[in-house]
Amino acid sequence: EPEVTQTPSHQVTQMGQEVILRCVPISNHLYFYWYRQILGQKVEFLVSFYNNEISEKSEIFDDQFSVERPDGSNFTLKIRSTKLEDSAMYFCASSPRVSSYNEQFFGPGTRLTVL
Amino acid sequence: AQSVTQLGSHVSVSEGALVLLRCNYSSSVPPYLFWYVQYPNQGLQLLLKYTTGATLVKGINGFEAEFKKSETSFHLTKPSAHMSDAAEYFCAVSGPGGTSYGKLTFGQGTILTVHP
Repeated sequence: EPEVTQTPSHQVTQMGQEVILRCVPISNHLYFYWYRQILGQKVEFLVSFYNNEISEKSEIFDDQFSVERPDGSNFTLKIRSTKLEDSAMYFCASSPRVSSYNEQFFGPGTRLTVL
Repeated sequence: AQSVTQLGSHVSVSEGALVLLRCNYSSSVPPYLFWYVQYPNQGLQLLLKYTTGATLVKGINGFEAEFKKSETSFHLTKPSAHMSDAAEYFCAVSGPGGTSYGKLTFGQGTILTVHP
């Protein structure tokens, strides 16, 4: 069964460093999402992406964040200058269609630790 | 703005007992409602969803949920717990009418423990 994959599973970085989190969505899906979960808090929406541009983004998704689909298979989340408060589990999701009632398929997450 | 509250961050049941995980939402119009489950080291997997129609929704692994508009609730139940049900469960809402790109708003999650 097709699944969303994410790499790495755990990333440790120093404050101020750039990190790139990678996701491979399910191959025929067209809509892509990033969410994050800070330890002990809710899963929060970051951004949605379709047709090579951002469809919607949350207040969290400031200028330090960017997303890209560089090669038609990968979907990346870049944090330019990491802060301690960026430490969280980051989930990628994809969907074959866009609609509020369509299922999103989630990857296993990347745990980002900023020291 | 939509919000979701899951009552109880931890629920513990005995194997064979009823599972009840509570979810209440706040939305100006009835949203679309979802339950996701996360097993250790895996992604969130959809259990079931309510969009329109019948308010009692059946999902995978014997779970079901009932949408009650008057109570703004979408509680998840399973008549008889199995050890394999131990996981974290997330209630989420989406749409309708506002966000057209499927953004999910999650509750804080409930960890279900099943005792032998």
